[in-house]
Amino acid sequence: EDKVVQSPLSLVVHEGDTVTLNCSYEVTNFRSLLWYKQEKKAPTFLFMLTSSGIEKKSGRLSSILDKKELFSILNITATQTGDSAVYLCVQTGANNLFFGTGTRLTVIP
Amino acid sequence: DTEVTQTPKHLVMGMTNKKSLKCEQHMGHRAMYWYKQKAKKPPELMFVYSYEKLSINESVPSRFSPECPNSSLLNLHLHALQPEDSALYLCASSQANSGEQYFGPGTRLTVT
Repeated sequence: EDKVVQSPLSLVVHEGDTVTLNCSYEVTNFRSLLWYKQEKKAPTFLFMLTSSGIEKKSGRLSSILDKKELFSILNITATQTGDSAVYLCVQTGANNLFFGTGTRLTVIP
Repeated sequence: DTEVTQTPKHLVMGMTNKKSLKCEQHMGHRAMYWYKQKAKKPPELMFVYSYEKLSINESVPSRFSPECPNSSLLNLHLHALQPEDSALYLCASSQANSGEQYFGPGTRLTVT
C-alpha cells in the first residue's frame, strides 16, 4: 500500500492556467513533507513543509500543509511551458522517507 | 558550493564486471542517500548514511554494496549485476536525515 499518494497522476493544461497538485500521506513518524520538480535529470527541491497552515511561496509556486487532514497541495499559477515536469511529493520520517508516484504536468503553448 | 557531483555520468557494464559509482558533496551535509530510478517511476530509496554510518538499507540485493569513506564521499560498489538493474542511480545529501535533499545529476547505468 502506497504511503504517499499523489493526484492526479497526469495533467495537461494550457499556458496561463492555474493548477493544483495534491499529495496525501501517512502520519507515522512524520517529520516533513517535501516537494520536488523533476524534468529530464535529477529532482530539484521546491519546498519543505513542517508546520500546518503556513503557506510557502516562490514566484508562481506555492504550497501548504494540512497536518490534521494529512495532505499537502502545490499550486502553480500562470503556468508556462517550462513548468512541464514530474512533481514529486516526499514524506520524511525519523528513519525513512517515502516518495509519491508523482504528477506529470504538461503545459501546452 | 551547493552541488552534489556524481561520476561517471554513464556506465555500461557486463554482468560479470565490478564497477563503482561515486558521489561527492562539500556542503557539510551529514546524511547521504542512494536512489535507483527506472523510467517514468519515482526514485526508490536504496541506502541512507547518517554521520557516515549506514542507517537505512531498503532490502537491497547484496550485489549493491554502499560505502561512505568520509562525510563528503559516498560510493556504490556494483558486482554481478543483472540487466534489470539498468536504471538512473541518484545520489543526494541533506543536513539531517529529514531535511531537504540536494540531488546529484545521476549515473545512467546499463547492464548488458
